Amino acid sequence: ETGVTQTPRHLVMGMTNKKSLKCEQHLGHNAMYWYKQSAKKPLELMFVYSLEERVENNSVPSRFSPECPNSSHLFLHLHTLQPEDSALYLCASSQATLGSNEKLFFGSGTQLSVL
Amino acid sequence: AQSVTQLDSHVSVSEGTPVLLRCNYSSSYSPSLFWYVQHPNKGLQLLLKYTSAATLVKGINGFEAEFKKSETSFHLTKPSAHMSDAAEYFCVVSDRPGTYKYIFGTGTRLKVLA
Repeated sequence: ETGVTQTPRHLVMGMTNKKSLKCEQHLGHNAMYWYKQSAKKPLELMFVYSLEERVENNSVPSRFSPECPNSSHLFLHLHTLQPEDSALYLCASSQATLGSNEKLFFGSGTQLSVL
Repeated sequence: AQSVTQLDSHVSVSEGTPVLLRCNYSSSYSPSLFWYVQHPNKGLQLLLKYTSAATLVKGINGFEAEFKKSETSFHLTKPSAHMSDAAEYFCVVSDRPGTYKYIFGTGTRLKVLA
């Protein structure tokens, strides 16, 4: 148990569906991240929130929409996805400081399949 | 720009023999370097972190890594492999402090043979 909880663990959706991924951290961290993990590719940073403000948006298609209502919760809203969006979506948190990049704590991920 | 290269995509060792997973990095700054492990159907777990306090870093589960600036390397080692070490390992270099960017390697899958 890392202190970062993701739901659901698995999700199958059609290309016209709308769904949301949820992440909750119990560590008191001030930064939260969404990463995409595809087979044979490095982890791709999608979004970063620091103190509930988006500080990084890595050229992610608009069919992915993040939301951070407070420092403990992070959502990823999905709509009209493509089959190539099938991947493991990982949430992470850290206690970010100006002086260093601290270690990331990861959730177990949501395995997404788009049909 | 920062980058990280994991030199082997797959490594196989026999149980009880040493493990060596290789990582080279490129960084314009004094880097923070990490090793993470990912077991099947799990998220990534931190093994160890280098932050310039000591070049030899000890982590969890008997793993350690040595920072060699002259070789721009940060190889992960363990004296004796256990079956439970079979997993995927990621070397990570951080970008400038406070930028929230971590550069991940493509991973090395470790197989441990009985």
